[in-house]
Amino acid sequence: GAGVSQTPSNKVTEKGKYVELRCDPISGHTALYWYRQSLGQGPEFLIYFQGTGAADDSGLPNDRFFAVRPEGSVSTLKIQRTERGDSAVYLCASSPDGLAGVNEQFFGPGTRLTVL
Amino acid sequence: AQSVAQPEDQVNVAEGNPLTVKCTYSVSGNPYLFWYVQYPNRGLQFLLKYITGDNLVKGSYGFEAEFNKSQTSFHLKKPSALVSDSALYFCAVRPNTNAGKSTFGDGTTLTVKP
Repeated sequence: GAGVSQTPSNKVTEKGKYVELRCDPISGHTALYWYRQSLGQGPEFLIYFQGTGAADDSGLPNDRFFAVRPEGSVSTLKIQRTERGDSAVYLCASSPDGLAGVNEQFFGPGTRLTVL
Repeated sequence: AQSVAQPEDQVNVAEGNPLTVKCTYSVSGNPYLFWYVQYPNRGLQFLLKYITGDNLVKGSYGFEAEFNKSQTSFHLKKPSALVSDSALYFCAVRPNTNAGKSTFGDGTTLTVKP
């Protein structure tokens, strides 16, 4: 079946602009996660959704970052007033049920964001 | 706070030899532990996990890992390495009290030479 998809695969923007990154999880997966990965580092947790609600957004670095999942499926990560330090690969993952925490995550290919 | 350490940036082994990729963790409560692999130009793929029970867990592609609570370690092992095992490996931990927040190590690049 189809895996997790993310669009766009690459995004180049200018400092100060607004960007939206989209994630399509595996159908039926209730848990959805966003991570940020910088070169030479592991994925850094940003936010976790269980259904439509953000169950844990403690990883969002500041109020320029916001994510939604209005219908419990597709999610959008929104970054306002982008800064050069936001440049990274943004990863999305989903899992069948995040409540118990025992399930592994299925990762998308990522969106490479470059802020000039 | 939770953390993961992968002390080796790089591990080199010869094909056919055993391999070990090290991981130690720090977490409040009981840990759920995971290994993921990332091949070039591909997303992270799940390899294996420890949730509870037997300390030795087996996963995909002949990999296994041993949970050691006293040493807070979860080292990845394979008895006989293949060239195709060459990739970037990540260890991750989440506490059993927070289903969502996983913390990843910075990864270990495994190179298996023929």
